[in-house]
Amino acid sequence: EIVLTQSPTTTAASPGEKVTITCLASSSVSNMYWYQQKSGASPKLLIYSTSSLASGVPDRFSGSGSGTSYSLTINTMEAEDAATYYCQQWSSNPPTFGAGTKLELK
Amino acid sequence: QVSLKESGPGILQPFQTLSLTCSFSGFSLGTSNMGVGWIRQTSGKGLEYLATIWWDDDKYFNPSLNSRLTVSKDTSNNQAFLKITSVDTADTGTYYCTQRLTGSSGFDYWGQGVMVTVSS
Repeated sequence: EIVLTQSPTTTAASPGEKVTITCLASSSVSNMYWYQQKSGASPKLLIYSTSSLASGVPDRFSGSGSGTSYSLTINTMEAEDAATYYCQQWSSNPPTFGAGTKLELK
Repeated sequence: QVSLKESGPGILQPFQTLSLTCSFSGFSLGTSNMGVGWIRQTSGKGLEYLATIWWDDDKYFNPSLNSRLTVSKDTSNNQAFLKITSVDTADTGTYYCTQRLTGSSGFDYWGQGVMVTVSS
């Protein structure tokens, strides 16, 4: 199965700061998905097909990448963005998730 | 709108069978290209895909757990079911059901999750 390695594991950002989370795949994948999970809640789809925003997601979020390297960027950090973020692939069975990046508000 | 909700026993003992129910609205497993997927979140493995059942009763299982998993559905009552046999403490975690669409590789809609604890 494809292993997704996220970095950093934990990070903190001040309001207005730019945040980038990376996801490296053990083999090439054609697309990446990103989820946001706040404490006590279920994951919420943020980005699908590498760079498309899910419905209702603010445009300060963006995704990019190809092959084995993908990233999620928050252009300007807001307090409500403090959460754990996960990448996910299903280019190869079974679908797999990264271990998560915890983003804290500084 | 799509809504899903999981229910289960809460706590069970090692070697027992875990039975979970996903009750949903806003879509039907009687409709082509619809499915319900199961994902769990454990402290040991994080988010882990388990299985999907499709409108035509086709099923897909994570090979790492294949032999322990059973999925089924009750189309008339908008429910899907997951069974995991011979549980142990590593199966402790939160279990989610999700809507699945043919051709979609992401998980758009998730239930709130149900916590399952395996303990003797």
